[in-house]
Amino acid sequence: AQSVTQPDIHITVSEGASLELRCNYSYGATPYLFWYVQSPGQGLQLLLKYFSGDTLVQGIKGFEAEFKRSQSSFNLRKPSVHWSDAAEYFCAVGAMEYGNKLVFGAGTILRVKS
Amino acid sequence: DGGITQSPKYLFRKEGQNVTLSCEQNLNHDAMYWYRQDPGQGLRLIYYSQIVNDFQKGDIAEGYSVSREKKESFPLTVTSAQKNPTAFYLCASTKPTGGWGELFFGEGSRLTVL
Repeated sequence: AQSVTQPDIHITVSEGASLELRCNYSYGATPYLFWYVQSPGQGLQLLLKYFSGDTLVQGIKGFEAEFKRSQSSFNLRKPSVHWSDAAEYFCAVGAMEYGNKLVFGAGTILRVKS
Repeated sequence: DGGITQSPKYLFRKEGQNVTLSCEQNLNHDAMYWYRQDPGQGLRLIYYSQIVNDFQKGDIAEGYSVSREKKESFPLTVTSAQKNPTAFYLCASTKPTGGWGELFFGEGSRLTVL
């Protein structure tokens, strides 16, 4: 079965420090990969996506992610975190072979210390 | 502005009652989805619809029902058969381009069973 693992439930970083959120997936097909961000009580906003091509993708708000097929990973990074980045982050995976649906990870809550 | 509108934002229900959550989109998207979000569990797919008058069960469809009579609308009914309905419900839509599209989310509806 398809699955997405975000190993870290909570992460706390200091403002200005770098950030890496981990995402691993288990899919028997060529995946499409996404990172979404959610503020409390709100819907989800797309940060970035990978369909094909360059494995390093740039997104909004200064985020980037790298697709590593050999490690089945799609980790999200930001070189310098801002207090406004505090939110919950979700990795999601889809594949044409499994229909037009996404499977989401459990999420990582990011806290930013000032 | 185009977007997805969910209503109501907050809803309280007594045990044994059915409730219907509204989801309307003016993005001209073909596919629509309902996800349930519980703390620490990410988003789980309830139902989805690729075209009007057709829909499929997701991973946790028991106790829920949907209809898709119009392209713009995809209401979700939480029936009394749903054993633990208190949750945050998210509606999403997409217009697949070349076989896949980004999901756009509404702001969510929070259902509490009293």
